[in-house]
Amino acid sequence: AQRVTQPEKLLSVFKGAPVELKCNYSYSGSPELFWYVQYSRQRLQLLLRHISRESIKGFTADLNKGETSFHLKKPFAQEEDSAMYYCALLEETSGSRLTFGEGTQLTVNP
Amino acid sequence: EPEVTQTPSHQVTQMGQEVILRCVPISNHLYFYWYRQILGQKVEFLVSFYNNEISEKSEIFDDQFSVERPDGSNFTLKIRSTKLEDSAMYFCASSGPDLSQYFGPGTRLLVL
Repeated sequence: AQRVTQPEKLLSVFKGAPVELKCNYSYSGSPELFWYVQYSRQRLQLLLRHISRESIKGFTADLNKGETSFHLKKPFAQEEDSAMYYCALLEETSGSRLTFGEGTQLTVNP
Repeated sequence: EPEVTQTPSHQVTQMGQEVILRCVPISNHLYFYWYRQILGQKVEFLVSFYNNEISEKSEIFDDQFSVERPDGSNFTLKIRSTKLEDSAMYFCASSGPDLSQYFGPGTRLLVL
């Protein structure tokens, strides 16, 4: 069955430090992956999608099919990056459902 | 920038009552979705909707649930007879042809 795993529920770094939020997936089809961010009491916001290869708010993510990973990285974390981050897999089903990981709460300390 | 909106933001209801959660998707989007997140758990897919019909539903989306697009702008989720375990945050989402899904702020449903 398709799964998305985010092994860290909590991640804490200091401002200016690099940050990496891990995401692993298992999927038999051609994976299409997303990162969503949820700031306190706000909606899930689309952060990036692997096929677009954009860098949003300094974040990047590379799809590694060999390791079945899609880790989110930022070289220099900022306090405003503190939020909940969700990795999600778009399934090639009739309804194009997203399967989410459990999320990682990132805290960037001053 | 256009956004998905949802009403109400919070709803408290008694077990066995019907609730209708409302969503206004982004205006030029054609694909609509409902997800839910029980407190402390992951976001789960409920249903997707396209061309005025359900395109996929999950095992959670049983006969107690229904969706409707009553007019050109609204997309609703109805729970006919709520159970305690229906208490959750319900998210609506919509997407265009590229299938990037944009989420609303959610409705927090509490069933007593």
